[in-house]
Amino acid sequence: EAGVAQSPRYKIIEKRQSVAFWCNPISGHATLYWYQQILGQGPKLLIQFQNNGVVDDSQLPKDRFSAERLKGVDSTLKIQPAKLEDSAVYLCASSHGQGGSPNTFGSGTRLTVV
Amino acid sequence: GDSVTQMEGPVTLSEEAFLTINCTYTATGYPSLFWYVQYPGEGLQLLLKATKADDKGSNKGFEATYRKETTSFHLEKGSVQVSDSAVYFCALLKAAGNKLTFGGGTRVLVKP
Repeated sequence: EAGVAQSPRYKIIEKRQSVAFWCNPISGHATLYWYQQILGQGPKLLIQFQNNGVVDDSQLPKDRFSAERLKGVDSTLKIQPAKLEDSAVYLCASSHGQGGSPNTFGSGTRLTVV
Repeated sequence: GDSVTQMEGPVTLSEEAFLTINCTYTATGYPSLFWYVQYPGEGLQLLLKATKADDKGSNKGFEATYRKETTSFHLEKGSVQVSDSAVYFCALLKAAGNKLTFGGGTRVLVKP
């Protein structure tokens, strides 16, 4: 089974610029997650989708972050405008969405804001 | 709210030493518990899991037992290898909402 695909692997941008990350989950996984992992910390959930609907975006800084999953498969996460503190690894994960099913993670996108 | 606390690292060991990483949690209800491992430059990989009290998860020589009475899920390995050098994350998952809550991670460095 193919894993969770993410692109790009690395991105360097200047503050106030915009950036977008892409994720393709495991085929058939209804639930998709975006996590932010700041260096030296555990991942923090930004947003959770069930099919193409948002289940939880309580930790998403909505003034600058947005995410969509239009057809219930691929997803994009956007930051506009970026701040220095957004430097982190952005991890996408997916799961069947049934109670207790673990997340399968992609390799992540490492964002550096300078 | 739910939370996971792990021992801080880095933990530095010699090859073939015994490894223990402590993990305790706070949660209502009956969460599932997980250990994920993150090798340098890679995403998180599921190492092992336990879904109910007294369950023991095991994989690649690692073990952890779900202790509800002490709200703990400590990770152990009897003889570590250099290839076990990584960051280890303890996490809990509530069936309702299917969301993971992670601890801060523990970096392990195994020296030959």
